[in-house]
Amino acid sequence: NAGVTQTPKFRVLKTGQSMTLLCAQDMNHEYMYWYRQDPGMGLRLIHYSVGEGTTAKGEVPDGYNVSRLKKQNFLLGLESAAPSQTSVYFCASSYSTSQETQYFGPGTRLLVL
Amino acid sequence: GDSVTQMEGPVTLSEEAFLTINCTYTATGYPSLFWYVQYPGEGLQLLLKATKADDKGSNKGFEATYRKETTSFHLEKGSVQVSDSAVYFCALSYNFNKFYFGSGTKLNVKP
Repeated sequence: NAGVTQTPKFRVLKTGQSMTLLCAQDMNHEYMYWYRQDPGMGLRLIHYSVGEGTTAKGEVPDGYNVSRLKKQNFLLGLESAAPSQTSVYFCASSYSTSQETQYFGPGTRLLVL
Repeated sequence: GDSVTQMEGPVTLSEEAFLTINCTYTATGYPSLFWYVQYPGEGLQLLLKATKADDKGSNKGFEATYRKETTSFHLEKGSVQVSDSAVYFCALSYNFNKFYFGSGTKLNVKP
């Protein structure tokens, strides 16, 4: 079991560029989440999914889009990157509701210049 | 609104010292409470959790008790090790897909 994996590990973008972050889990979890982690602010939920084909907004969804075409994958897209999106992005998954334990990926460090 | 407040770090202790990291919360419902740990360069891992008032979560020598009367979930360990150096996050979850993390407390343990 690889658990939760994230691709890429690190990326540098210029303002206005687009990119997609990939999260994959092999635990057959229904729920998947994208968080961003900024210094002194803990983790904030961007978007989440309660199952294949579903997505919903979290606390800070602006500037991001997501898709869950396959149960094991959850993609986070930045259509036009801004310096304010410089952050560390974590993907997580859980078996059922968010009250269950979440399993986190290793993170993607994104720098937007 | 719902929120989690943790003591600011960093917390620096000598090996074998007693650890307390304070966590208080506000919630309109009946949340589950969690402590997650993040080691350098890694994602978060569940350390322990408690799902209802007066429950005690424990793992790897760490403990935390869900105190509804004081809305607290303080993390304790009797004797820390250098390997416990990490960032610790308190979190709450309830009401279908709402998950709130504290800002994290960095722990440095010196030999």
